[in-house]
Amino acid sequence: AQSVTQPDIHITVSEGASLELRCNYSYGATPYLFWYVQSPGQGLQLLLKYFSGDTLVQGIKGFEAEFKRSQSSFNLRKPSVHWSDAAEYFCAVGVYGQNFVFGPGTRLSVLP
Amino acid sequence: KAGVTQTPRYLIKTRGQQVTLSCSPISGHRSVSWYQQTPGQGLQFLFEYFSETQRNKGNFPGRFSGRQFSNSRSEMNVSTLELGDSALYLCASSLVGQGGGTEAFFGQGTRLTVV
Repeated sequence: AQSVTQPDIHITVSEGASLELRCNYSYGATPYLFWYVQSPGQGLQLLLKYFSGDTLVQGIKGFEAEFKRSQSSFNLRKPSVHWSDAAEYFCAVGVYGQNFVFGPGTRLSVLP
Repeated sequence: KAGVTQTPRYLIKTRGQQVTLSCSPISGHRSVSWYQQTPGQGLQFLFEYFSETQRNKGNFPGRFSGRQFSNSRSEMNVSTLELGDSALYLCASSLVGQGGGTEAFFGQGTRLTVV
């Protein structure tokens, strides 16, 4: 069965520290991949996407993600976290002909 | 370019009532998908409409229904509301549908509380 996992339910980092949020998927076909961010009570905002090509993709707000086919992973990174990055982050995976499947989300807290 | 607009933003209903939520997609987008988000279940896919036809459906009871109009606006209806239907309902707009290899853009959501 197709699935998306985000192993970390909650992560706390200090402002200015680096960040990596993990996403793993289990799909038979080659997927396309997304990271979304959600602030409390708000909708989801697209941070970045991967369809094909360069496996390191750049997104908005200084985020980047790397697709590793051999590890079925699409981890999100940011070199220096800002207090405004505190939110919930969702990894989403899609394949042709089907709707996205979202991971359970990782809540990010940022310490001053 | 205007984003995805969902109305209303907040709604309080009583058990047994029905409710209709509305979603206006980004201009030119023909696909609208609906999701239910709850703390316990996360984001769950309800259904997708494309050019006025339901294309995909998630695992929800028949009390949840939807439709799409010729201008791509979509409505979602929940009949005989239950306490467990309290959730944030999110609408996502995409050019040709999530299964077509395009990204989806989300609205702010409608927070439904059933009392």
